[in-house]
Amino acid sequence: AQSVAQPEDQVNVAEGNPLTVKCTYSVSGNPYLFWYVQYPNRGLQFLLKYITGDNLVKGSYGFEAEFNKSQTSFHLKKPSALVSDSALYFCAAASYGNNRLAFGKGNQVVVIP
Amino acid sequence: GAGVSQSPRYKVTKRGQDVALRCDPISGHVSLYWYRQALGQGPEFLTYFNYEAQQDKSGLPNDRFSAERPEGSISTLTIQRTEQRDSAMYRCASSGLADNEQFFGPGTRLTVL
Repeated sequence: AQSVAQPEDQVNVAEGNPLTVKCTYSVSGNPYLFWYVQYPNRGLQFLLKYITGDNLVKGSYGFEAEFNKSQTSFHLKKPSALVSDSALYFCAAASYGNNRLAFGKGNQVVVIP
Repeated sequence: GAGVSQSPRYKVTKRGQDVALRCDPISGHVSLYWYRQALGQGPEFLTYFNYEAQQDKSGLPNDRFSAERPEGSISTLTIQRTEQRDSAMYRCASSGLADNEQFFGPGTRLTVL
């Protein structure tokens, strides 16, 4: 069975500081990994994905994530947070070749001006 | 271009009534997915289609839930004899055949009284 853990409920960070949102996963075989962001009253928006290749993937709005196979992690990062980055962030995983996504419970990110 | 659309955006119904939730995927997207999201949780997989064929319905919680996509485009998720525990946000997503990322609609908020 696939599962994703996002251990923190809320991440508070000062504007301009680095932002990290943690994610660990459990899937059979090689993983497909994703990050989505949700703004109030909006649908989930795709940020980035890891399928294969470089462990560091870059996505929209200056976000990046690093795949670490030994730690089964896929943490989301941004070097300098903006107030507009305040939102709910979801990590998701699927087994290679499987379209069924398993989501974490989400992390609320609050960027303090 | 137009994204995934869902209707209605909000649905309030009485226990025991049937409801039908509609999803209109991105034009040309082959795959269509349904998820359910409880408050404070991540989306949970229900079922998905490639074209008109239902590929995986293992996430449907019981036989009151069904989905169809008769012409390989618009899909309907039907819940019969609704119960209060069915109250949730129901999200639809679509993807191209060669894509891994799923694009989500705004969701339908279902409230069963």
